[in-house]
Amino acid sequence: NAGVTQTPKFQVLKTGQSMTLQCAQDMNHEYMSWYRQDPGMGLRLIHYSVGAGITDQGEVPNGYNVSRSTTEDFPLRLLSAAPSQTSVYFCASSYSLSGLYEQYFGPGTRLTVT
Amino acid sequence: ILNVEQSPQSLHVQEGDSTNFTCSFPSSNFYALHWYRWETAKSPEALFVMTLNGDEKKKGRISATLNTKEGYSYLYIKGSQPEDSATYLCASGEDKIIFGKGTRLHILP
Repeated sequence: NAGVTQTPKFQVLKTGQSMTLQCAQDMNHEYMSWYRQDPGMGLRLIHYSVGAGITDQGEVPNGYNVSRSTTEDFPLRLLSAAPSQTSVYFCASSYSLSGLYEQYFGPGTRLTVT
Repeated sequence: ILNVEQSPQSLHVQEGDSTNFTCSFPSSNFYALHWYRWETAKSPEALFVMTLNGDEKKKGRISATLNTKEGYSYLYIKGSQPEDSATYLCASGEDKIIFGKGTRLHILP
């Protein structure tokens, strides 16, 4: 199993550009989530999904969209990139209701917005 | 959004010494508590998932306890080794899993 994969690993965007961060898992996990990591802030939850077709907002959802059309994929879209979105983005998945099961994290995407 | 706090923020420990740090979370509507280990340039990896008051879990030299009535969990590391240097994260929640800011542990040779 590849586990949780994320693409790209690195990305530089100009302010106002849009892009999609890809996340996929091959463990048939129901739960998937997106976090951003900023210095001194730990991991902050952006959006999460408890199954295909179901998504909800986390702590910091503004400026991001998600969809979950399949169990495997959970892309994160930046609609109009801003310098404040410069961060490292982690995707994670879990067997089911994540509170009861550990999350498996992808390798991260380092995004810089200039 | 529930508030998960960790202390201390940073900790320096001599190799061979034991140490512990704290995670605090709201005791009302408690669902589960996670501990993760996060090494520099890697992704977080789960250590423990704990759900019951009084739970104690152990993995090698690392152990954790849980008090859901008062809203805290302790992580213990016995006989610290250089490879224990990492950031230790705790998280809580049901479907909205919220992380604390972590305790950064440095092991001094």
